[in-house]
Amino acid sequence: EAQVTQNPRYLITVTGKKLTVTCSQNMNHEYMSWYRQDPGLGLRQIYYSMNVEVTDKGDVPEGYKVSRKEKRNFPLILESPSPNQTSLYFCASSFLGDNSPLHFGNGTRLTVT
Amino acid sequence: DAKTTQPPSMDCAEGRAANLPCNHSTISGNEYVYWYRQIHSQGPQYIIHGLKNNETNEMASLIITEDRKSSTLILPHATLRDTAVYYCIVRAISKSGYALNFGKGTSLLVTP
Repeated sequence: EAQVTQNPRYLITVTGKKLTVTCSQNMNHEYMSWYRQDPGLGLRQIYYSMNVEVTDKGDVPEGYKVSRKEKRNFPLILESPSPNQTSLYFCASSFLGDNSPLHFGNGTRLTVT
Repeated sequence: DAKTTQPPSMDCAEGRAANLPCNHSTISGNEYVYWYRQIHSQGPQYIIHGLKNNETNEMASLIITEDRKSSTLILPHATLRDTAVYYCIVRAISKSGYALNFGKGTSLLVTP
């Protein structure tokens, strides 16, 4: 089944403890992206990647890192999480081109205390 | 990406057609109209998209006006499971890649 898989679904951590949220897609998509969703602010893009070893900042990149060493994987790294990074995170992927819909994962709910 | 305007909420009786409008008066010629929905806190789900012509798939129909300044998503026989927030988005390649501006969407409530 074609899908975008995120892990973990839920994560509670403490301030400053490095964490990684994994994202994997099995559709051979070139484009991958991370979003965060917060009440009243909607979905905002954190980072995106147009292909292997090509990444760029979205609208809210501060405090996050990403890597794209393989086409299928696009992990989101929080080197030193802070409480303001408590949010619902979504990974998405698509083929390049305007005529290609984004496919989203089921989300990771992160709480930083 | 062009801005879209949607009503904040709508109701629909189960079994009836749900018609969700979207205004995108500043849409440019190369921008597609996309519809997604989000059920509770699940990942947004792609529904349908189009450029100029009306489109239909197993989930819904998309009607785009001739001037492309507005569109309507039609769920022909709404069920309780269609209760969700529906987002209308116009999208084209930009300097930020393929970011989608989801806005606030329309909260559709399907009632028994």
